Amino acid sequence: DVKVTQSSRYLVKRTGEKVFLECVQDMDHENMFWYRQDPGLGLRLIYFSYDVKMKEKGDIPEGYSVSREKKERFSLILESASTNQTSMYLCASSLRLGGHQPQHFGDGTRLSIL
Amino acid sequence: EDKVVQSPLSLVVHEGDTVTLNCSYEVTNFRSLLWYKQEKKAPTFLFMLTSSGIEKKSGRLSSILDKKELFSILNITATQTGDSAIYLCAVEETSGTYKYIFGTGTRLKVLA
Repeated sequence: DVKVTQSSRYLVKRTGEKVFLECVQDMDHENMFWYRQDPGLGLRLIYFSYDVKMKEKGDIPEGYSVSREKKERFSLILESASTNQTSMYLCASSLRLGGHQPQHFGDGTRLSIL
Repeated sequence: EDKVVQSPLSLVVHEGDTVTLNCSYEVTNFRSLLWYKQEKKAPTFLFMLTSSGIEKKSGRLSSILDKKELFSILNITATQTGDSAIYLCAVEETSGTYKYIFGTGTRLKVLA
C-alpha cells in the first residue's frame, strides 16, 4: 500500500514565522501535490511537482514556496506565516502524470497561525 | 474557468437509506473523474471514471459518468453509520500539465 506521511498532524505557529511542512511518500511516485482544505472551499492546489527539482504553481501559490530535492520528499514552506494561512494542509502523490492514476493522500496537517 | 460543483453540500439520512451524490463539471481538457471518501484523516480513493455509461461498483457503492451532460453520480445503497464522511469529486485535467480540480465535497451523515 502507498504510504504518504506528513510530519505533523497539528502545528501552531506565530505570525511572521517561517513554517516548514514535510511530506514523504514511499512508493517511488513521480508526482507530488500540496493542497489546502477550507470549509466551503474544498481542496485548492498550492503547488505540485512532477520530478525532482521541478515545481509548478497551482491555483493559490501566493505566500508559499516548495522544495523537492529528493523524489520521495516534498516540502511546503510558508515564508512569513499569516493568520489567513490557518488551514488543513494535505499532501498527495501519484505515480505519474497522465497515467490515469489516482492520488494518494497523507493524513493532513492542521496548521494554526496565531 | 474550470470548475467542479458537488451537490448537495450536506445530507443527513438514516441507516438503510439509499443516497445519490452529484458532481457536475466544466473542465476544458477533461481526462478522468475521481471520487474520494474523507473521514477524519486522508481522503481515500473510491473510483476513477474515464468512459461514459460504464458503471463502476464496489460493494454498496457505485458510480457512473456522463461525458455528454458533464456529470457523475455516486450511489450508496443500504447506508451504514460507517458511510458518514465527506465525499470528494475531482476532475483530472490536461491543459499543458496534469492536475486535479476538486469540488467542495458533500458531507454525508448517516444516523443509526
